[in-house]
Amino acid sequence: NAGVMQNPRHLVRRRGQEARLRCSPMKGHSHVYWYRQLPEEGLKFMVYLQKENIIDESGMPKERFSAEFPKEGPSILRIQQVVRGDSAAYFCASSPPTGTGLNEQFFGPGTRLTVL
Amino acid sequence: LAKTTQPISMDSYEGQEVNITCSHNNIATNDYITWYQQFPSQGPRFIIQGYKTKVTNEVASLFIPADRKSSTLSLPRVSLSDTAVYYCLVGDDYKLSFGAGTTVTVRA
Repeated sequence: NAGVMQNPRHLVRRRGQEARLRCSPMKGHSHVYWYRQLPEEGLKFMVYLQKENIIDESGMPKERFSAEFPKEGPSILRIQQVVRGDSAAYFCASSPPTGTGLNEQFFGPGTRLTVL
Repeated sequence: LAKTTQPISMDSYEGQEVNITCSHNNIATNDYITWYQQFPSQGPRFIIQGYKTKVTNEVASLFIPADRKSSTLSLPRVSLSDTAVYYCLVGDDYKLSFGAGTTVTVRA
């Protein structure tokens, strides 16, 4: 049973470009969470999605960041017009449809974004 | 969210028991205590979760005193592969909040 998959694992962008990060949750999981880990800091919650719905985006920056989890396909975290401060590790986690997500979240290996 | 305080780092040797204590003085009634482990270049991995008293699984034990203002994660007989960052989280919903964690280094 494959775990949470994220791609790419490493992404390099120049300032002003767009970054698209993909996350495929574990089989049977319909809840997806995105977290960001800045250098030397802990992971911070960004957004919580279910299929075709954004449930909570309270941790997302107000501009340039968006997320989706379509009916088919992976969840996408999109960062437009990237700046150097966006350089970080972005982690996706998933949890099963039952429960509140308070319980175990399964994390992917992360995408390390570097903005030149 | 309840603030947590845990040691920045701990050193141990193979075969020893490692105990990491986390302080959470303003824990709320509905909050649970959860511990995650993270290896370099990987995502965090759930270890254990508890509300009060003691919880044990195949990996660790979690001790929570009656006042719940602190908790202790116990890793029995650590090996080199247990070298990682350990995070103590306190909360009641899906918005996991990770602090700096405790870097545990296990030496041969």
